[in-house]
Amino acid sequence: ELKVEQNPLFLSMQEGKNYTIYCNYSTTSDRLYWYRQDPGKSLESLFVLLSNGAVKQEGRLMASLDTKARLSTLHITAAVHDLSATYFCAVDGYSGYALNFGKGTSLLVTP
Amino acid sequence: SQTIHQWPATLVQPVGSPLSLECTVEGTSNPNLYWYRQAAGRGLQLLFYSVGIGQISSEVPQNLSASRPQDRQFILSSKKLLLSDSGFYLCAWSHGGGSREQFFGPGTRLTVL
Repeated sequence: ELKVEQNPLFLSMQEGKNYTIYCNYSTTSDRLYWYRQDPGKSLESLFVLLSNGAVKQEGRLMASLDTKARLSTLHITAAVHDLSATYFCAVDGYSGYALNFGKGTSLLVTP
Repeated sequence: SQTIHQWPATLVQPVGSPLSLECTVEGTSNPNLYWYRQAAGRGLQLLFYSVGIGQISSEVPQNLSASRPQDRQFILSSKKLLLSDSGFYLCAWSHGGGSREQFFGPGTRLTVL
């Protein structure tokens, strides 16, 4: 069974602090996706990591992929309140063109 | 550029009533299409996906069905809703041919009473 595990599932952090969200997966996929979901809203694509060692950055978020360790990280630098959201990672699934999603990490950034 | 639409945005239905949710994509041809459900505070559950007109794959046995009558139209239906069908229904598309990055519609929030 394909598993995608995120940790932590809930994260409360102060503005200005740094933190990392981890995504472990059980398949040999070399592609990994990060999405953001604001409360009550749909999912927005953040990063697509297509190979081992891939690193992408946008603003205060940086994502990386280690396919050998089957691990991706989403690093938050100097958090601000606008980053409060739920973050999902996903990997290529076994069936068709589907993705398998983690359960999501709910991030709350407080003053 | 591509856009994806879903309607209705919100829906409140009684148990046992039928359901029809619609999703359309603009600006691309032959997309792969997906229906997901997200229960309150939960992750995403893939319900159906389609790689072409009339081609539907079901991921989870349930009282829901899907159809793809046109290239860029995806419909989720039920003949009789259950309380457990409540949730946030998301339609998504990806480029055909192997790229799996998915782009999500705005969603339909369904409450079954």
